[in-house]
Amino acid sequence: KNEVEQSPQNLTAQEGEFITINCSYSVGISALHWLQQHPGGGIVSLFMLSSGKKKHGRLIATINIQEKHSSLHITASHPRDSAVYICAVRSIDTDKLIFGTGTRLQVFP
Amino acid sequence: DTAVSQTPKYLVTQMGNDKSIKCEQNLGHDTMYWYKQDSKKFLKIMFSYNNKELIINETVPNRFSPKSPDKAHLNLHINSLELGDSAVYFCASSFLGNTIYFGEGSWLTVV
Repeated sequence: KNEVEQSPQNLTAQEGEFITINCSYSVGISALHWLQQHPGGGIVSLFMLSSGKKKHGRLIATINIQEKHSSLHITASHPRDSAVYICAVRSIDTDKLIFGTGTRLQVFP
Repeated sequence: DTAVSQTPKYLVTQMGNDKSIKCEQNLGHDTMYWYKQDSKKFLKIMFSYNNKELIINETVPNRFSPKSPDKAHLNLHINSLELGDSAVYFCASSFLGNTIYFGEGSWLTVV
């Protein structure tokens, strides 16, 4: 079992829908990252969280440290949001980033 | 200006060759990383340098050798390339423990 699990693995949505991607982890962490990888391959950091909630435009990320769970929400989804979303946690023991396997999102017009 | 740049973007080479991938960051970060993304799109840390000092060295073959001439550069040299080395290699940088900035990736194909 991976130390970082994401669900769902694949997600399709119609433009305008509200989207939620979940991330659960089993290790102690100092921070959690949400990353976006576009079809061209480049990776962009969306959020870094250690507690609570962050918002950037239509994206919202939340984390519950006690439950070892984080969610990434996209409001009013758009085809340009189509990408792979990756959750990664920084282990408090090793200081290494441990990655989830990603969630592939496709938003159709 | 690209914050983290790596070259080459694409590299096709024969088994047994030696190749290097270069990485440079102009963000003034103190930490640089090399990640490998395999065919299943799973990312995994290979190396991490902080202020030119190796701080993370995952269990990768000795054929992989990182070199950090200064804080802004972390190059990856691979000796005796094997088919299984085919992957996308990402360089990244950050201030230690903070937001990570990734390069565009280098697609390595070993034939």
